[in-house]
Amino acid sequence: NAGVTQTPKFRVLKTGQSMTLLCAQDMNHEYMYWYRQDPGMGLRLIHYSVGEGTTAKGEVPDGYNVSRLKKQNFLLGLESAAPSQTSVYFCASRGDRDADTQYFGPGTRLTVL
Amino acid sequence: GQNIDQPTEMTATEGAIVQINCTYQTSGFNGLFWYQQHAGEAPTFLSYNVLDGLEEKGRFSSFLSRSKGYSYLLLKELQMKDSASYLCASMDSNYQLIWGAGTKLIIKP
Repeated sequence: NAGVTQTPKFRVLKTGQSMTLLCAQDMNHEYMYWYRQDPGMGLRLIHYSVGEGTTAKGEVPDGYNVSRLKKQNFLLGLESAAPSQTSVYFCASRGDRDADTQYFGPGTRLTVL
Repeated sequence: GQNIDQPTEMTATEGAIVQINCTYQTSGFNGLFWYQQHAGEAPTFLSYNVLDGLEEKGRFSSFLSRSKGYSYLLLKELQMKDSASYLCASMDSNYQLIWGAGTKLIIKP
């Protein structure tokens, strides 16, 4: 039982390049989330999903796209990376009860030059 | 708007007690979470309060007052490994977590 895993752990991109971050969970959770975490700020929700085949925008969705083709996977895409997207990205998942905690992946540290 | 306030940094001594406060203002309320985050790592769950009062879990306790929009995390018998950031998050009416910026707790010997 690996919990929530993320790949890659680190990445450096040049402005304008694209990439996809992969999140996988083996807990059969319905809900999955992508956050970014920047110094001095709280975790900010980028996109989320309430089940396979569904996605929704969070607080800061611009410049990102997501897909949830399989229940266990949630992909975050950057089509044309910008320096403002330099951040640490966390994926999380949770069960479908209100009190269920979110379980986080180890994070991806992305630098855009 | 939605807002979560907590102190940026606190310092405490090993073996002592520290209280980290959090005030929240969110669109609706479905519970208050506390997470611990060590530097360079992912947040991990500490506690969840949805009713007023104190929840005790070992050395850690969490308190909630819904009428005041206030919560605190109490850490007793501090250990060096408790040095971390503590994140307060309120679950809003859409069941999304609104996060505070975190309180960095520094433990001194």
